[in-house]
Amino acid sequence: TQLLEQSPQFLSIQEGENLTVYCNSSSVFSSLQWYRQEPGEGPVLLVTVVTGGEVKKLKRLTFQFGDARKDSSLHITAAQPGDTGLYLCAGDSSGSARQLTFGSGTQLTVLP
Amino acid sequence: SAVISQKPSRDICQRGTSLTIQCQVDSQVTMMFWYRQQPGQSLTLIATANQGSEATYESGFVIDKFPISRPNLTFSTLTVSNMSPEDSSIYLCSADRRGTDTQYFGPGTRLTVL
Repeated sequence: TQLLEQSPQFLSIQEGENLTVYCNSSSVFSSLQWYRQEPGEGPVLLVTVVTGGEVKKLKRLTFQFGDARKDSSLHITAAQPGDTGLYLCAGDSSGSARQLTFGSGTQLTVLP
Repeated sequence: SAVISQKPSRDICQRGTSLTIQCQVDSQVTMMFWYRQQPGQSLTLIATANQGSEATYESGFVIDKFPISRPNLTFSTLTVSNMSPEDSSIYLCSADRRGTDTQYFGPGTRLTVL
């Protein structure tokens, strides 16, 4: 069974602060996806990283895939209340996003 | 992206009854999946819905408890049978749009069993 551990599980910060969420596994994934989920909604895909060492930026969000494709991080710069949500990483071992293993989730709250 | 709708959005049910959740996708997709999620927690895959054949269930989930249908490429149902309070959860449908290798999620169905 492939497991993805996310840390921290909960994070509460003030608007304007920076934060990093980590996603770690002992398994190698062909790609890794990050989702954000708001209450009452399904997860929404933020990014997919495929290549070991890859870095992708989405406005204030920076995603990195580990060189060995076993871990990933999400860094948010100058967090805003709109960033509040449940952040989920999901590893794909099938090569086609058809067998996703979801991480344990990080609940982020950004206080105004 | 694919637009996925689910109904009902929420329901409160009595112990021992069954509830069928519907999932409709706005475009043809290759795969459809059903997940369970406790509020604020991660997603657990229940099964892959296969068109015209029996669903493929993950360990810990069985067809008698969670029968799934997928009569065509854009529609699937999940039934939660003989419900108990332990079945209270959010049930999510997802699909990967043909050619994108990306899973898109429906808004979920929040089920409470009394």
